[in-house]
Amino acid sequence: SQTIHQWPATLVQPVGSPLSLECTVEGTSNPNLYWYRQAAGRGLQLLFYSVGIGQISSEVPQNLSASRPQDRQFILSSKKLLLSDSGFYLCAWRGANEQYFGPGTRLTVT
Amino acid sequence: RKEVEQDPGPFNVPEGATVAFNCTYSNSASQSFFWYRQDCRKEPKLLMSVYSSGNEDGRFTAQLNRASQYISLLIRDSKLSDSATYLCVVNDYKLSFGAGTTVTVRA
Repeated sequence: SQTIHQWPATLVQPVGSPLSLECTVEGTSNPNLYWYRQAAGRGLQLLFYSVGIGQISSEVPQNLSASRPQDRQFILSSKKLLLSDSGFYLCAWRGANEQYFGPGTRLTVT
Repeated sequence: RKEVEQDPGPFNVPEGATVAFNCTYSNSASQSFFWYRQDCRKEPKLLMSVYSSGNEDGRFTAQLNRASQYISLLIRDSKLSDSATYLCVVNDYKLSFGAGTTVTVRA
């Protein structure tokens, strides 16, 4: 069965610091992968999706970037965090139509 | 207009009660629909897909009304463990998530 791993689970970072969040998927090959952010009390906002190695589509302009260096690895990065980057970051892969989420990273920017 | 809208609730119900809530969507061409459940500080998990003819999964019943562009979720015989936020998800070319409806079941 497929499994998604994300780390770290929680992170507290100061404004202006860099960010790197990692997501890996097991049990499937060439998955469509997604990064979402969920702010407190808000819905999920799609940030990036990838259909293959090196292929990244951005849904919203922001100071975040994503990379897919390997088939089952998806990385979310920032060079300088903003307070507004705080939130719950979720990686997901897509099945037939539905999506399955990793456990998430809770980021607090101070 | 938001792509997917939900009543945020909260719906506070006693154990054993029936609770139902809707979700409206804006794109009439949307193809598939889902309900996800999200527990506090956890990732969303797929609860059930929503089929055109309506479908049941145990105590949960989902309905789709294409003419009025809404889907619904009904929970019968509520359990304490049903307390969660329920996310409505609509698939056109991508998945669009509602902000969720919070349900609290009390003893």
